[in-house]
Amino acid sequence: GQQLNQSPQSMFIQEGEDVSMNCTSSSIFNTWLWYKQDPGEGPVLLIALYKAGELTSNGRLTAQFGITRKDSFLNISASIPSDVGIYFCAGLGGSNYKLTFGKGTLLTVNP
Amino acid sequence: DTEVTQTPKHLVMGMTNKKSLKCEQHMGHRAMYWYKQKAKKPPELMFVYSYEKLSINESVPSRFSPECPNSSLLNLHLHALQPEDSALYLCASSQDAGVGWTYEQYFGPGTRLTVT
Repeated sequence: GQQLNQSPQSMFIQEGEDVSMNCTSSSIFNTWLWYKQDPGEGPVLLIALYKAGELTSNGRLTAQFGITRKDSFLNISASIPSDVGIYFCAGLGGSNYKLTFGKGTLLTVNP
Repeated sequence: DTEVTQTPKHLVMGMTNKKSLKCEQHMGHRAMYWYKQKAKKPPELMFVYSYEKLSINESVPSRFSPECPNSSLLNLHLHALQPEDSALYLCASSQDAGVGWTYEQYFGPGTRLTVT
């Protein structure tokens, strides 16, 4: 089945630093989604990408839908302590409507 | 408003109990989902309802029984669960679901289930 490779698995950064994480797949997706999950809570949708090459921002977050439709990245600028959490990429579309999730990136921000 | 609500927030049940998880959305979405999530893992799809009909069952054991009373509500009935069923159960909704449709899913806060 479809799989997403998300990297890095974890990151430890200082407050104020920029962060970048990405997902790659051997399959094509029609939509890429980025979620953030805090402990004990449900994933919160950060950014949705619908077109190959699309670059979308949401505050300090920027994400891009790769030209090949097989990858996406998420950048966080000027990180703050509340950015701590697990970030998941997810792909949607293709032969089915089921979300395929990456394994997540655990972000720790040191004040 | 992109809110999906779930009750209860926490649930502890014995292996012989019967309980239900509830989910509600008022976004006019016609697809609703149940996911199971273990610690530090991504959510795993269990069921999908589209237009109030069960369209996907990801080979989930019969001790989990979903129900969609109307387009805004989704229940998950639990009976004779095992300790390994302890997890965070997430509900989600999207505008629609089906081949060729691509709509983002919005998740609820989850129910933390502990089976003793």
